Amino acid sequence: AQSVSQHNHHVILSEAASLELGCNYSYGGTVNLFWYVQYPGQHLQLLLKYFSGDPLVKGIKGFEAEFIKSKFSFNLRKPSVQWSDTAEYFCAVNAKNQGGKLIFGQGTELSVKP
Amino acid sequence: DAGVTQSPTHLIKTRGQQVTLRCSPKSGHDTVSWYQQALGQGPQFIFQYYEEEERQRGNFPDRFSGHQFPNYSSELNVNALLLGDSALYLCASSGNRGADTQYFGPGTRLTVL
Repeated sequence: AQSVSQHNHHVILSEAASLELGCNYSYGGTVNLFWYVQYPGQHLQLLLKYFSGDPLVKGIKGFEAEFIKSKFSFNLRKPSVQWSDTAEYFCAVNAKNQGGKLIFGQGTELSVKP
Repeated sequence: DAGVTQSPTHLIKTRGQQVTLRCSPKSGHDTVSWYQQALGQGPQFIFQYYEEEERQRGNFPDRFSGHQFPNYSSELNVNALLLGDSALYLCASSGNRGADTQYFGPGTRLTVL
């Protein structure tokens, strides 16, 4: 069965620190990969996605993620976080050609101290 | 352009009751997926509807059922509510028969007492 694992449950950083959130998935076939973000009091929003092509994907608000197929990973990065990045971050996987079912990780809560 | 909308925002029910949640997809989208998000967890896939039919289903009992209407809007029905059904229920819509990115609504918070 497919699964997604996010390494950190809660990350606390100071403003301007660099961020890397880990995400690994288990599935042997071809996948689409996503990072969604949920800001306090708001709904899930797409941060970035990978369908094919360049494994380094850039998203909104300065976020990027790198798909490393050999490691089944899709880690999220940002060089310098801001207080407004405080949110919960979810990694999700969708097996290509097997319908639209998204498998989510358990989420990582990011707290940025001003 | 309105995004995905859901109603109601909050709902309180008692055990054994039935509930219906509603979702209107983003304009131009033809596929609706439903997810359950328990507190502190990631969303879990319930099922997906396209062309008014259930196309894919997650690991949820038959108490969970749905419907899609000709205008692509959708309902999620849960019968015989259990305390464990308390969660945030999310609707997501996508285009291209579900192959495109899913966009989420604000959710309906269901509390079962």
